[in-house]
Amino acid sequence: QVQLVESGGGVVQPGGSLRLSCAASGFTFRNYAIHWVRQAPGKGLEWVAVISYDGSDKDYADSVKGRFTISRDNSKNTLYLQMNSLRAEDTAVYYCARDYYRVVRGTFDIWGRGTMVTISS
Amino acid sequence: QSALTQPASVSGSPGQSITISCTGTSSDVGSYNLVSWYQQHPGKAPKLMIYEVNKRPSGVSNRFSGSKSGNTASLTISGLQAEDEADYYCCSYAGSSIVIFGGGAKLTVL
Repeated sequence: QVQLVESGGGVVQPGGSLRLSCAASGFTFRNYAIHWVRQAPGKGLEWVAVISYDGSDKDYADSVKGRFTISRDNSKNTLYLQMNSLRAEDTAVYYCARDYYRVVRGTFDIWGRGTMVTISS
Repeated sequence: QSALTQPASVSGSPGQSITISCTGTSSDVGSYNLVSWYQQHPGKAPKLMIYEVNKRPSGVSNRFSGSKSGNTASLTISGLQAEDEADYYCCSYAGSSIVIFGGGAKLTVL
């Protein structure tokens, strides 16, 4: 069935790095823009980043710009999020989510279950 | 990139109707018919309930409906049921590949 499965979360010290992965299956991955959305404990959803269907366009929330990098490998049906210079406020569940459209329109029709990232010394 | 404004909480009795508002600006909600709504139960991933302001994905109950007027979008749930109790988030496209969520509204079914 159509699904996204995140991995790579864990506990990291402030200033450290982590790379998240999101494996897609059940649909033609290369046809869709894909996003990362995060949710801090007890808080609301926050859009983090997006990459276009072919990887040519990427955009980021101001809160992560310059520290996080989104990428994709369409041959492996996998999305990535490289997170550097991590801060306590980056602690959250990170979801990957498919955009309903080929181009970025911010409509998330498929979500993964999320992976927890904890920044703590 | 300021969050869209939603009430923190709403409540209603079974069978009643409730409406959750979502206020943005002329740069996001007011400019695009790309408002979507998500339902999230505790410990679960969000679920798409409404997209393009008022369209329902296949499988979503017709008790859920959406609308928009100016810079404010709304989600209405009619015939409230116990399983509707959840957090609800609005979301809007804001141009240049930027997406903004609302702060979320906790729905309590009394």
